[in-house]
Amino acid sequence: AQSVAQPEDQVNVAEGNPLTVKCTYSVSGNPYLFWYVQYPNRGLQFLLKYITGDNLVKGSYGFEAEFNKSQTSFHLKKPSALVSDSALYFCAVSASGALNFGKGTSLLVTP
Amino acid sequence: DAMVIQNPRYQVTQFGKPVTLSCSQTLNHNVMYWYQQKSSQAPKLLFHYYDKDFNNEADTPDNFQSRRPNTSFCFLDIRSPGLGDAAMYLCAVLSSTDTQYFGPGTRLTVL
Repeated sequence: AQSVAQPEDQVNVAEGNPLTVKCTYSVSGNPYLFWYVQYPNRGLQFLLKYITGDNLVKGSYGFEAEFNKSQTSFHLKKPSALVSDSALYFCAVSASGALNFGKGTSLLVTP
Repeated sequence: DAMVIQNPRYQVTQFGKPVTLSCSQTLNHNVMYWYQQKSSQAPKLLFHYYDKDFNNEADTPDNFQSRRPNTSFCFLDIRSPGLGDAAMYLCAVLSSTDTQYFGPGTRLTVL
């Protein structure tokens, strides 16, 4: 079964510091991996995806993610966090066209 | 411009009173999805359409039905809502780049 795991329920970071939100995956074959962000009472916004190619994927709002096959990880990163980045972040893997999501990580960026 | 539109954004219904949630897309794509997201949880796939072919997840309750009268519109019908059906309902469309784009969601409250 295609699945992802987000080991952290919450990540706290000070504004201006780099942030990392962790995701590991378990898939058979080549993974299609995604990151989405969700603000309160809103739908999911697509940030970035890895299908093939460069291991470092750049996405929206300055976010990037690094695909690491040996560690089966796809961590989301940003060099300098903003207070407005505070939200719920979901990692997901494509499974027969549908998305299997991790449980989500709440990111809190403090001024 | 909004690509996936959901109406209403907030819906209140009474226990056992049928309710219909609406989703439309401006992308003219074949694949559409309905997800249920309960508070502080990951979205869970209920069903999806590939064109008019309906695919129900094995654990989706019979209480949930769907209609897709044309490519642009898709409806979620909850025949007899229970308190446990209170959730955010998310509609998504699969783009030509294998990315799911989500609507803003409909938050359903059951009294």
